Amino acid sequence: DTGVSQNPRHKITKRGQNVTFRCDPISEHNRLYWYRQTLGQGPEFLTYFQNEAQLEKSRLLSDRFSAERPKGSFSTLEIQRTEQGDSAMYLCASSLGQAFSYYEQYFGPGTRLTVT
Amino acid sequence: GDSVTQMEGPVTLSEEAFLTINCTYTATGYPSLFWYVQYPGEGLQLLLKATKADDKGSNKGFEATYRKETTSFHLEKGSVQVSDSAVYFCALSSASKIIFGSGTRLSIRP
Repeated sequence: DTGVSQNPRHKITKRGQNVTFRCDPISEHNRLYWYRQTLGQGPEFLTYFQNEAQLEKSRLLSDRFSAERPKGSFSTLEIQRTEQGDSAMYLCASSLGQAFSYYEQYFGPGTRLTVT
Repeated sequence: GDSVTQMEGPVTLSEEAFLTINCTYTATGYPSLFWYVQYPGEGLQLLLKATKADDKGSNKGFEATYRKETTSFHLEKGSVQVSDSAVYFCALSSASKIIFGSGTRLSIRP
């Protein structure tokens, strides 16, 4: 297994456009997480899935953001009507997981979004 | 809510110097604690972890001890190398997610 992969690695878009990112987790992992990292800061949690169910969403995830994991495998994160403040690195991670237990998360390389 | 506070950077040291990066946390319950590293142009990698009080995590010459009484998890290395230049993040597990500190950029001079 080659680890968590994310596509695209870089995305430049104009303000107001919609963008979609994809994350492919490690194949046997049932949990998938999205984080956002702005310049000079640590990653901040956005949302996570256990299989296809979205179990938690951060207040950072405005109505313009939507994430899906339709078959419990890959996930997509869509940002509608992008704003310059959305410019950041979007990180995906995956792990095994059971209720109320922590398992090590493995991070992908990230998708860097630049909104002009 | 749970949070992590770590030493601000950048930190610049000469090769073979001793390194300490301070990290303190606030959490309910008993989180696991981590140090992650981000090398230039690469993704986040787990450097070391500790899952309960008094545990010592270690990897690649780096060490950190989970101190419940001082709510700290300071990162140390006895002799740094140029290849250790990177951004280091202290973090904790909070329910199912990880909460990160803001990162400390470390630069090592030859």
